[in-house]
Amino acid sequence: QVQLQESGPGLVKPSETLSLTCSVSGGSIGTYSWSWIRQPPGKGLEWIGYISNSATTKYNPSLKSRVTMSVDTSKNRFSLKLTSVTAADTAVYYCARGFCSGGSCYSRFWDYWGQGALVTVSS
Amino acid sequence: QSALTQPPSASGSPGQSVTISCTGTSSDVGDSNYVSWYQQHPGKAPKLMIYEVTKRPSGVPDRFSGSKSGNTASLTVSGLQSEDEADYYCSSYAGSNNLVFGGGTKLTVL
Repeated sequence: QVQLQESGPGLVKPSETLSLTCSVSGGSIGTYSWSWIRQPPGKGLEWIGYISNSATTKYNPSLKSRVTMSVDTSKNRFSLKLTSVTAADTAVYYCARGFCSGGSCYSRFWDYWGQGALVTVSS
Repeated sequence: QSALTQPPSASGSPGQSVTISCTGTSSDVGDSNYVSWYQQHPGKAPKLMIYEVTKRPSGVPDRFSGSKSGNTASLTVSGLQSEDEADYYCSSYAGSNNLVFGGGTKLTVL
């Protein structure tokens, strides 16, 4: 069974960099695309971006200038960096796997998700 | 403000059907087959219920169905069950490598 687990600091100071890692178990990271999605407390979902199995990245245009995603296939994990954070970046951050079905793989639908990591931006 | 508009709430009695709408524009929902729906129970990660407007992943009951007309996508839950009570989110590709979500609809089973 595929499992995803987010890890990283739960508290980040304003103007600093938020860094999260998603460790994947039960499957190879090299076959799928991998995304980050966030959810501010009590609010809706926001797509942050994805990294494909060929390490191509696509980011939400509203966050593009601050986001970097990378993948470490040797450790079966991928990462998110978000720079210059503010209180508006406080959210539960989910990592998720792109959905594959019937020989087609998608980067914009996700079937396996991590449990989510709450990151609070505060001094 | 979310890019896609969903009603904040919806409700129905067990066994009934309920439809949740998701309204976008001709640049997202109206121009994309990459419309999906997620179910989220409190404190849990979202679960993919519908993808490519009408398709159900394996394991999702056929009580859940999706459709689209113009700039509005819809999720219908038939034969409501207590475990269907959750938040539901739609999403759509919006061009220019962007993907947008709706604000979510809280479904209550009366």
